[in-house]
Amino acid sequence: GENVEQHPSTLSVQEGDSAVIKCTYSDSASNYFPWYKQELGKRPQLIIDIRSNVGEKKDQRIAVTLNKTAKHFSLHITETQPEDSAVYFCAPRGNDYKLSFGAGTTVTVRA
Amino acid sequence: DVKVTQSSRYLVKRTGEKVFLECVQDMDHENMFWYRQDPGLGLRLIYFSYDVKMKEKGDIPEGYSVSREKKERFSLILESASTNQTSMYLCASSPQDRLNTEAFFGQGTRLTVV
Repeated sequence: GENVEQHPSTLSVQEGDSAVIKCTYSDSASNYFPWYKQELGKRPQLIIDIRSNVGEKKDQRIAVTLNKTAKHFSLHITETQPEDSAVYFCAPRGNDYKLSFGAGTTVTVRA
Repeated sequence: DVKVTQSSRYLVKRTGEKVFLECVQDMDHENMFWYRQDPGLGLRLIYFSYDVKMKEKGDIPEGYSVSREKKERFSLILESASTNQTSMYLCASSPQDRLNTEAFFGQGTRLTVV
């Protein structure tokens, strides 16, 4: 199973600035690296993911970068907007079926 | 449209009661999971199942058990509810396909044990 750590635990940014969240994991066999977003009162939903044969993936204002050597991957949000305020979770997938999440990062975008 | 449905949105139970939380998914997913979510602690895995009648302990299984008699249904059981089990419980499912492993969540059950 994975040991998953997420930093920071809270992040406050001015609207329009960038936000970066880092996730470190322990299982060197991990090959799937997703990020989930949970808005207040809603269920978590996948927003972006990356596989181990790719170093970076972008989808409009969000991107995920992967460093397999160092065993971490990061979520980047550019030009932050109020609707980006949420809790973000990483959930690296190892070789077993277990699905463990990081403790979450609460992002607050200040207007 | 994938649907993961939990039987109750809110539940209030008394200490010592046996509590059943039900989860049903309609996407023929092999994997199902139960988490509890508490402020500042993220999503903590209680139990998971990768096949009918198969179950594995997660990170915090104490005080809980599970049942998976059918592929689409995964039940979480609190044998004797205690106040420290007051929490939001989330069920999730995902396929075992290595190229498609997105997890889909239910709407959550807010359990209060009094």
